[in-house]
Amino acid sequence: NAGVTQTPKFQVLKTGQSMTLQCAQDMNHEYMSWYRQDPGMGLRLIHYSVGAGITDQGEVPNGYNVSRSTTEDFPLRLLSAAPSQTSVYFCASRVLGGGQAYEQYFGPGTRLTVT
Amino acid sequence: AQKVTQAQTEISVVEKEDVTLDCVYETRDTTYYLFWYKQPPSGELVFLIRRNSFDEQNEISGRYSWNFQKSTSSFNFTITASQVVDSAVYFCALSGPVFFNKFYFGSGTKLNVKP
Repeated sequence: NAGVTQTPKFQVLKTGQSMTLQCAQDMNHEYMSWYRQDPGMGLRLIHYSVGAGITDQGEVPNGYNVSRSTTEDFPLRLLSAAPSQTSVYFCASRVLGGGQAYEQYFGPGTRLTVT
Repeated sequence: AQKVTQAQTEISVVEKEDVTLDCVYETRDTTYYLFWYKQPPSGELVFLIRRNSFDEQNEISGRYSWNFQKSTSSFNFTITASQVVDSAVYFCALSGPVFFNKFYFGSGTKLNVKP
């Protein structure tokens, strides 16, 4: 099992450019999520999904879009990059169901710099 | 509202010292889940433990132990006989019980273990 994979590992964008951060998992997890990590702020939820075709916003969704067409993939799109989106982005997945909250498994992260 | 507070931004200890990382949470849910994650300098997020609100037993895993106290809304993490490899940022997280639940992360505590 590869677990949760993310590409690219590093990316530099110019203000106004768009791009897609890729995330895939091979654990058949229903739940997938995107976080951004900024110094001193922990991890903040951007968007999450509880299954193919179902997504919802987290704490900081502005400037980002997601879609979930398959169980495995959950790409994050930056529509028009801004310097405030410079951050480390983590994708995560976990099992859903059983009336419990199971732990999330994280990908290795994507370090994004917007100039 | 749900919130996790890790008041210790950074802690430095000398190898073999014991160290406790504090985590205080706020929630209105009667059923909830608490987690600890480790982020070593390499950047990945590693799951350490999950605890539900109806199980207040303390847990020990090798040099790691966790003390969950509902009366003080705390879920503290102790490393006994710390080692240099324990140097990392440690995050505490909280999740509610409902189907579309979200994780709320604290801002993290950076632990420096010096030889």
